[in-house]
Amino acid sequence: AQRVTQPEKLLSVFKGAPVELKCNYSYSGSPELFWYVQYSRQRLQLLLRHISRESIKGFTADLNKGETSFHLKKPFAQEEDSAMYYCALTSGYSTLTFGKGTMLLVSP
Amino acid sequence: DAGVTQSPTHLIKTRGQHVTLRCSPISGHKSVSWYQQVLGQGPQFIFQYYEKEERGRGNFPDRFSARQFPNYSSELNVNALLLGDSALYLCASSSLAGARTDTQYFGPGTRLTVL
Repeated sequence: AQRVTQPEKLLSVFKGAPVELKCNYSYSGSPELFWYVQYSRQRLQLLLRHISRESIKGFTADLNKGETSFHLKKPFAQEEDSAMYYCALTSGYSTLTFGKGTMLLVSP
Repeated sequence: DAGVTQSPTHLIKTRGQHVTLRCSPISGHKSVSWYQQVLGQGPQFIFQYYEKEERGRGNFPDRFSARQFPNYSSELNVNALLLGDSALYLCASSSLAGARTDTQYFGPGTRLTVL
């Protein structure tokens, strides 16, 4: 069975500091990995997906199949990055398996 | 486009009752998925429907059921409510035929409280 693990419930950093949100997964097939974000009082939305190899709002994530990880990184955190971040993978069709989420707090 | 819409926003029920939650997908989207999010956890997959047919079902008891209508809107029904059913219920729609790389667009959710 597939599983997504986000080991940190809360990550607190200062503005301008680097950020790394950890995500590890277990999946028997070839995974499609995603990061979803939920800003305060907003709905859950896609941040980025590994297949696109894109950078969104300065965030990047690299799929490491050897370590079964998909960590989310940003070199310089901004206050507006404060949000709940969920790592997820798809199995079967487009159904998503989510991790428990990491709350990122960026202080001025 | 208003995006995915869900109704009601909040709902309070008592144990043993039945509840129906509703979802309207983004115009043109034919796939609808339902997720349950318990406080402090990530969303957990309940059902996926595409073209009115069930495409997938998560690990939920038979008290949970859903359907999709010809206009692609969807209902989630939960019978014999338990305290543990208290959660935020999220609906998501996607445009393609349920491909793994589909982007899921989420609604604001329905907060269900079971007393």
